[in-house]
Amino acid sequence: QVQLQESGPGLVKPSETLSLTCIVSGGSMGSYQWNWIRQAPGKGLEWIGYIYNSGSTYYNPSLRSRVSISEDRSKNEFSLKMNSVTAADTAVFYCARAIPVANTGSFYFDSWGQGTLVIVSP
Amino acid sequence: SYDLTQPPSVSVSPGQTAIITCSGNKLGNKYASWYQQKPGQSPLLVIYQNDMRPSGIPERFSGSNSGNTATLAISGTQAMDEADYYCQAWDRSSGVFGGGTKLTVL
Repeated sequence: QVQLQESGPGLVKPSETLSLTCIVSGGSMGSYQWNWIRQAPGKGLEWIGYIYNSGSTYYNPSLRSRVSISEDRSKNEFSLKMNSVTAADTAVFYCARAIPVANTGSFYFDSWGQGTLVIVSP
Repeated sequence: SYDLTQPPSVSVSPGQTAIITCSGNKLGNKYASWYQQKPGQSPLLVIYQNDMRPSGIPERFSGSNSGNTATLAISGTQAMDEADYYCQAWDRSSGVFGGGTKLTVL
């Protein structure tokens, strides 16, 4: 059973860069899609982006200019960087594994981390 | 951008069937999945590929998807099913979530 664990600072100053890492245990990163998803306090889920096929990335168009996702398969982990953060970026950030539905371009999120709260404040 | 619309809230009596809808343009041409989220917890996959249940999810959870609407049905709803539910689909490589529906069992 794969397990995901997010780690990173819980407090980031406005205009700085948010950096989070997701450690994957209990399995290899294999041919799965690795995602970041966030949830602002009291709000719904927002997909941020993914890394897939050993390096291909795709981001939410609304965040594309500020985010990047990378991976280090030797450490079984992947990471999120989001620059120029504001208070509006305060959220619980989840990492999640997605499984592809063959030949469809569709995926589903079968495993999630516990989430980590990141507060953007001076 | 592609939008998925869910009712903000649905109420159901214990033992009855809860229906949660998710609307999007030609959603029936995509695969929908559904996630349950209880307070303080991570989301949990309850339906994938429109109507498939992951191992460990009770049979009372079912899904369908046609036209512009995907539907999550929970038959014989129990108090433990009270949670937020989110639909999700992919549009041109972007993941999209519905706004979520709070299911109240009363």
